[in-house]
Amino acid sequence: GAGVSQSPSNKVTEKGKDVELRCDPISGHTALYWYRQSLGQGLEFLIYFQGNSAPDKSGLPSDRFSAERTGGSVSTLTIQRTQQEDSAVYLCASSLLQGGTEAFFGQGTRLTVV
Amino acid sequence: KQEVTQIPAALSVPEGENLVLNCSFTDSAIYNLQWFRQDPGKGLTSLLLIQSSQREQTSGRLNASLDKSSGRSTLYIAASQPGDSATYLCAHTGGGNKLTFGTGTQLKVEL
Repeated sequence: GAGVSQSPSNKVTEKGKDVELRCDPISGHTALYWYRQSLGQGLEFLIYFQGNSAPDKSGLPSDRFSAERTGGSVSTLTIQRTQQEDSAVYLCASSLLQGGTEAFFGQGTRLTVV
Repeated sequence: KQEVTQIPAALSVPEGENLVLNCSFTDSAIYNLQWFRQDPGKGLTSLLLIQSSQREQTSGRLNASLDKSSGRSTLYIAASQPGDSATYLCAHTGGGNKLTFGTGTQLKVEL
């Protein structure tokens, strides 16, 4: 595709359920980022993948959060036992290389935990 | 801890005015600095990328400058239009490679 694609665009889930959020980066981009944006707040870094290197998981808020990137392309962010404070927009971005190249964002997944 | 601050937090201007948005950062070893806009309920749209070896970039009515020594970047918007109304975010990548975002400037351009 032409840009970063995220699915679903909206997700409403009950507290305690698990959810999976998907990100399709731009073809050929080796770097992939996940961020979270709570209502009225700034962007919070979650996790960063670069090629075959070990991901930078330093931003994951708890062990309920995990992410995978299969085959260096599609990434899935999984939140287990969702809590109301997990409600936010989850944004994915990709860039051609690490560091000094332009990052492009998807439209995000709006997660609402009820 | 790396910090990125944007001033002002909010700005309202009449259509046609030229304006400057400011971004300050504490990490002097940045790789690049990128400006984004975010419309309500939407993702981020990349506006300009300035590599660490560059001092400025231009795209249409937008001009972004970078001064690594002082830890500052500015986004200049010429002849502002109502369609420019959005939140503007600056972000840089440093040694950790992840993007570190500023606090954002909410811009409203009024008719």
